[in-house]
Amino acid sequence: EAGVAQSPRYKIIEKRQSVAFWCNPISGHATLYWYQQILGQGPKLLIQFQNNGVVDDSQLPKDRFSAERLKGVDSTLKIQPAKLEDSAVYLCASSHRRGGEWGNNEQFFGPGTRLTVL
Amino acid sequence: DAKTTQPTSMDCAEGRAANLPCNHSTISGNEYVYWYRQIHSQGPQYIIHGLKNNETNEMASLIITEDRKSSTLILPHATLRDTAVYYCIVSSYGKLTFGQGTILTVHP
Repeated sequence: EAGVAQSPRYKIIEKRQSVAFWCNPISGHATLYWYQQILGQGPKLLIQFQNNGVVDDSQLPKDRFSAERLKGVDSTLKIQPAKLEDSAVYLCASSHRRGGEWGNNEQFFGPGTRLTVL
Repeated sequence: DAKTTQPTSMDCAEGRAANLPCNHSTISGNEYVYWYRQIHSQGPQYIIHGLKNNETNEMASLIITEDRKSSTLILPHATLRDTAVYYCIVSSYGKLTFGQGTILTVHP
């Protein structure tokens, strides 16, 4: 079974530029997550999709971050314009979960995209 | 989500059992205990989870106290490749809120 794919693996940009990250979840997984992991901290959930609808985006800085999951499969996360504090690893995860049953919700993570904002 | 408390770091000798504790005294009845680990420069990896009963899989065992206020992750025979940050997470509605975790270092 192929894992969660992310690209690019590394990205260096200057502040005020824009950047986009791509995620392809495990086939058949209905739920997709984007996390931000700042150096030395645990991952923080930015947004959660159930199929192509947003379930939770309460921690997404909506003035500069946006995400979409067209057709309920691949997803993109965009930052525009980037700030120095956006330097982090952006992780994508997916899970089987389909409405209702939350108990067994093992999430599978991709390798992440390391963003450096100069 | 209930907060968890883990030691900042632990050491273990290769081949010995690694026992990682976690306190979650405010856990609610419908919240699960999940353990993930993150090896350097990789995404987090699921290890195990449970609600009330002890659980075992090919990677580890999870012991949850009867009052569910604490749990222990056991790696029965630690190897150098088990060196990682281990996160104990109390999850409601499938949401994972990561803390700082425990840095486990396995020594030869």
